[in-house]
Amino acid sequence: SQKIEQNSEALNIQEGKTATLTCNYTNYSPAYLQWYRQDPGRGPVFLLLIRENEKEKRKERLKVTFDTTLKQSLFHITASQPADSATYLCALVGTGRRALTFGSGTRLQVQP
Amino acid sequence: GAVVSQHPSWVICKSGTSVKIECRSLDFQATTMFWYRQFPKQSLMLMATSNEGSKATYEQGVEKDKFLINHASLTLSTLTVTSAHPEDSSFYICSANPQVNTGELFFGEGSRLTVL
Repeated sequence: SQKIEQNSEALNIQEGKTATLTCNYTNYSPAYLQWYRQDPGRGPVFLLLIRENEKEKRKERLKVTFDTTLKQSLFHITASQPADSATYLCALVGTGRRALTFGSGTRLQVQP
Repeated sequence: GAVVSQHPSWVICKSGTSVKIECRSLDFQATTMFWYRQFPKQSLMLMATSNEGSKATYEQGVEKDKFLINHASLTLSTLTVTSAHPEDSSFYICSANPQVNTGELFFGEGSRLTVL
């Protein structure tokens, strides 16, 4: 069956450090993968999209890698700030579908 | 960026009543909108795909007679939870894609439903 797995345990890091979150998937052949941020009681907000032919993508302090051989994406936040504390979700579109399927998300807590 | 608005942001109702949630794309037209549900500490689960001018496509296990979806125009989709029960209490979120090729979804603020 298709699965999108993210570390369900919260990630706690110190301000200024780099946070790295992992997304693994099975039985998908995605054309692209997306990362979203979700704050409590709010809808997700789009952060980055990376296509299957892209190894890495950057946006300000964010960096995403996509390894279609390992079926894994890594999401990095450099120089992390307390304001980065949120739940981060990875998402894929299944073959023949239009809607996104989301991972369970990883909660990031950046300590000042 | 594109804006998707949901209303109401929260609603409390009695068991057995029906609740309507509206989802509007404010600055773009959306032939397709998606409705998700999220229980506490869980991820978003797709409920249905709302198609303008045609019937919605429901995910397996989602009762179409209980969760009525109407996509009346290119900027409005509604989700009606009929005969709501406490187990329907959840966070309902709609989303839309202003440019199909990018795949990026814009989400509404979500609607917190509590059924007493």
